[in-house]
Amino acid sequence: SQELEQSPQSLIVQEGKNLTINCTSSKTLYGLYWYKQKYGEGLIFLMMLQKGGEEKSHEKITAKLDEKKQQSSLHITASQPSHAGIYLCGADVGWTDKLIFGTGTRLQVFP
Amino acid sequence: EPEVTQTPSHQVTQMGQEVILRCVPISNHLYFYWYRQILGQKVEFLVSFYNNEISEKSEIFDDQFSVERPDGSNFTLKIRSTKLEDSAMYFCASSEGTGGVGANVLTFGAGSRLTVL
Repeated sequence: SQELEQSPQSLIVQEGKNLTINCTSSKTLYGLYWYKQKYGEGLIFLMMLQKGGEEKSHEKITAKLDEKKQQSSLHITASQPSHAGIYLCGADVGWTDKLIFGTGTRLQVFP
Repeated sequence: EPEVTQTPSHQVTQMGQEVILRCVPISNHLYFYWYRQILGQKVEFLVSFYNNEISEKSEIFDDQFSVERPDGSNFTLKIRSTKLEDSAMYFCASSEGTGGVGANVLTFGAGSRLTVL
């Protein structure tokens, strides 16, 4: 079965710093989804990537899917306290409807 | 913006009791899902539902679990006889499921926290 591993597990950064979160898949990714979860709340969709080499940005968050489609990175520029939360990568599993999720990266941003 | 709503937000129950968690998916979505997240662990897939039947289920989704779409708007998860290990946050999600780009973007509800004593 496909597994998604995220790194780091936890990240504490000072406001204004840049950071990167990685998501590595044990199999080829057909669709890679980034979600953000605030503690005790639901998952909020951030971005979806499908093609190798694809890069998407939304405000200060940029996500990229590598050419081999087995790894994705999420980069936050000039982090703010509002970026704090748990970032989850999710993947389409072949021809099924479901997404599987990575282990999550907990981000804390302090002033 | 359309959203998925879940009730209750928190339920406490005694072991062995039946629990029903309710969800109202986004109205034009065709696929519905239940996921769960045990405290400190991954978000795990339980079941997907399409065209009034289960399309896929995980090993976790055993005979104690059932799902239903009793009317045109609600989607429910029933746990027949709760166990301590059923304590978790349960998330409902829905997607357009039309096969187009982004069709598998899941919109999640805020979750229902189940505590089994």
